[in-house]
Order: sequence, then structure tokens, then C-alpha cells
Amino acid sequence: AQRVTQPEKLLSVFKGAPVELKCNYSYSGSPELFWYVQYSRQRLQLLLRHISRESIKGFTADLNKGETSFHLKKPFAQEEDSAMYYCALRGRGGADGLTFGKGTHLIIQP
Amino acid sequence: NAGVTQTPKFQVLKTGQSMTLQCAQDMNHNSMYWYRQDPGMGLRLIYYSASEGTTDKGEVPNGYNVSRLNKREFSLRLESAAPSQTSVYFCASTGSGASINEKLFFGSGTQLSVL
Repeated sequence: AQRVTQPEKLLSVFKGAPVELKCNYSYSGSPELFWYVQYSRQRLQLLLRHISRESIKGFTADLNKGETSFHLKKPFAQEEDSAMYYCALRGRGGADGLTFGKGTHLIIQP
Repeated sequence: NAGVTQTPKFQVLKTGQSMTLQCAQDMNHNSMYWYRQDPGMGLRLIYYSASEGTTDKGEVPNGYNVSRLNKREFSLRLESAAPSQTSVYFCASTGSGASINEKLFFGSGTQLSVL
């Protein structure tokens, strides 16, 4: 069975401070990992995916297969980063959708 | 560019009433999904349709039925609503579903309250 764990329900940091949202996964094969974000009153949208190895809005995430983690990081938080963040996994099943973590509510304080 | 469109945006039902949530996508996607979002529970998959003509159960299918009406539309039906079905419902779609790298496109959600 595949599982995604986000240990923090709520994370509050000050503007300009570094941010790390934790994500651990459980899957027997080689999954693809994603981070989705939901800003207030907006629909859920893709932030970044492991395969692209990209930096979006200053966020990066590195897949650590040894620790089965895919933590999301940003060196300097901005107020507009406040949102709900979901880590998600897709296994080799492909069309059967994503398995989401329970989400972390990130609050950036001025 | 409508993307994924869900209706209605809000709905209040009494216990035992039935209703259908509608979802349509205009991106010619093969795979469509219904998720529910609950505080502290994240998003959980209710049902999905890998392609037109097929539907499969997800993690929490009990109390729901779905219909893949055509390639564009995927509806979710509550036959006899229960308070436990109070939630925000999201429809999503993706291209072929065959590649694990594809991203999901989400609708704006339906906030359902069952009294």
C-alpha cells in the first residue's frame, strides 16, 4: 500500500525565515512525487514535481530515496506563500490517481 | 480556458436526500477523478475513471456512485446523503493517466453540507 505522511498540520514562520515542509512516503517501487498548493479561495494546483527538478516560486524539493522523503524547502519565506500544501505520490498504477498527504497549513507571519 | 468545471459550488442537503455533483473538462483528458477534502484528512479518492466507459473505486467509495457520461463529463451521485458526507468535493482530470508524471487539473470544488 502506498502512503504519504505530512507530520505537521500547521507550520508558522516569520517572513524572511527559511521554510521546510516535511513529507515522507511509503511505496515499494519507484514513485513519482508532487507538491500541490491551495491558496485561499483558489483551486488546488501543482507546485512542483520531482521529475522536473525545478524551482517554482523559490521552492525546491529533493527526493531522498534512502529516507523516503520529499521535503519542500524555501530559503526565505514570503507572506504570499501562506497556503495549504499537499504532498502527493503516484505509483506505477498511473491512472488510479494520486495519494495525498493530510496537508500542512503554512502561515507566514509579517 | 475553462479547464475543469464543477457544479454546484455550494449545496445544503437534508439527511436522506439525493443529489448529483457535475464535473466537466474541456482538455480532452482521458482520466477523471473525484476527491473529498476534510480537515485533518487531506484529499481522499472516492472514485476514478481511467478512460471513457470505465470507473473504479478509490479509497472511500461507500455511499457514492459515479457515471462517466462521455469523455468530458464525470458525475458523482449521493443516493441518500448522510452527515458524514459533509465535505468539500473536488473533481480532477489528467491527460492519459498512463504516465506517472502527469499533473492533475482540479476543479474549484463543491462545498456540501448535510444536515
